[in-house]
Amino acid sequence: SYELTQPPSVSVSPGQTASITCSGDKLGHKYASWYQRKPGQSPLLVIYQDSKRPSGIPERFSGSNSGNTATLTISGTQATDEADFYCQAWDTSTVLFGGGTKLTVL
Amino acid sequence: QLQLQESGPGLVKPSETLSLPCTVSGGSISSSSYYWGWIRQPPGKGLEWIGSIYYSGRTYYNPSLKSRVTISVDTSKNQFSLKLYSVTAADTGVYYCVRHEAVAGTLDSWGQGTLVTVSS
Repeated sequence: SYELTQPPSVSVSPGQTASITCSGDKLGHKYASWYQRKPGQSPLLVIYQDSKRPSGIPERFSGSNSGNTATLTISGTQATDEADFYCQAWDTSTVLFGGGTKLTVL
Repeated sequence: QLQLQESGPGLVKPSETLSLPCTVSGGSISSSSYYWGWIRQPPGKGLEWIGSIYYSGRTYYNPSLKSRVTISVDTSKNQFSLKLYSVTAADTGVYYCVRHEAVAGTLDSWGQGTLVTVSS
């Protein structure tokens, strides 16, 4: 079965750039989305179709997807960005999630 | 603005059936551009897709849950529903209903989520 792999945790200092990866076989041939989940809240879509930002999502969030890896990049990370992030893809009528990455802003 | 709202009992006994409707407002469930689905998150774990349905009634299920799941749609009520049979404590978690785009599969709208606890 198809799997998406994320690092369990990523740490970043305020103002620096955080990168979260999501790996899967030929993931670059599929569309990748990214969701931010804060405690007590529903997941929020922050990147879709690899690199597009929904209305209201800050420009510091960006995405890319090529080969076997999709990457979420947060530039100028703020303390309010601390959350769990999940990548997601759609393959043969199946919704797939990565295991999630806890972003800590120290 | 599209809104999705889950409802249903917060407590289900082991071996019984979990039933959750999701009411859609601010948009039509009969749109050909979207699927409607269920996602769950057990305590301390990640997101898990349960299954999705198209307005025509065509369904797609997570293979690991397929034998215990039924998702149905009622276009007259603009509502879709989840039934999960023979539940155990492992089915405890927050359940979300979602809308996802039919081509790219983006989950672009989420309900607020409802906590379901399986316990006697």
